[in-house]
Amino acid sequence: SAVISQKPSRDICQRGTSLTIQCQVDSQVTMMFWYRQQPGQSLTLIATANQGSEATYESGFVIDKFPISRPNLTFSTLTVSNMSPEDSSIYLCSVGFQGTEAFFGQGTRLTVV
Amino acid sequence: EDKVVQSPLSLVVHEGDTVTLNCSYEVTNFRSLLWYKQEKKAPTFLFMLTSSGIEKKSGRLSSILDKKELFSILNITATQTGDSAVYLCAVFNAGGTSYGKLTFGQGTILTVHP
Repeated sequence: SAVISQKPSRDICQRGTSLTIQCQVDSQVTMMFWYRQQPGQSLTLIATANQGSEATYESGFVIDKFPISRPNLTFSTLTVSNMSPEDSSIYLCSVGFQGTEAFFGQGTRLTVV
Repeated sequence: EDKVVQSPLSLVVHEGDTVTLNCSYEVTNFRSLLWYKQEKKAPTFLFMLTSSGIEKKSGRLSSILDKKELFSILNITATQTGDSAVYLCAVFNAGGTSYGKLTFGQGTILTVHP
């Protein structure tokens, strides 16, 4: 199993600004994942954060809008750039171990005003 | 494209009722199917299923997978108000560039009234 610390827990941001979300894992993991959950919707994968290489983005998500860092095997950040009210969502990081259960951080509830 | 469909989308029951939640999927390179309970923000892991016909059980919750028909069910017996939550089904893709990717269903919103 893994313990994942994600912060901030919530934030209210002005449109046009950026927010960086941090995710710290208590063990080394190869792949970390970032998800978005818009109000009333299910989770959608934004990107896979690989240590030592660029993140792999899903269709509909681009690096300029959601830059990701993965400086080591226990840490990753997701930045939501140039925010608009449509970016108001819950953002979640997760880790998985070779196809076994995936563990999630506590989530970040972002409101853009 | 991987796809997960859950039904019903919402369900309202009274305490003591038994509920069955459904999840059907289409995924290349299936590795496992996972059930989560989401009450606030972070989904809480319930079950991981990899083999057909083997029931996983935890207290009043149980789940089973049918890999031939590509579906899973989650049963909750003697429901309690604390079971009120969104239940998410997800499948794990084990192949190629999609390795490790979880595809989620829309979720079932369960409301249990006293």
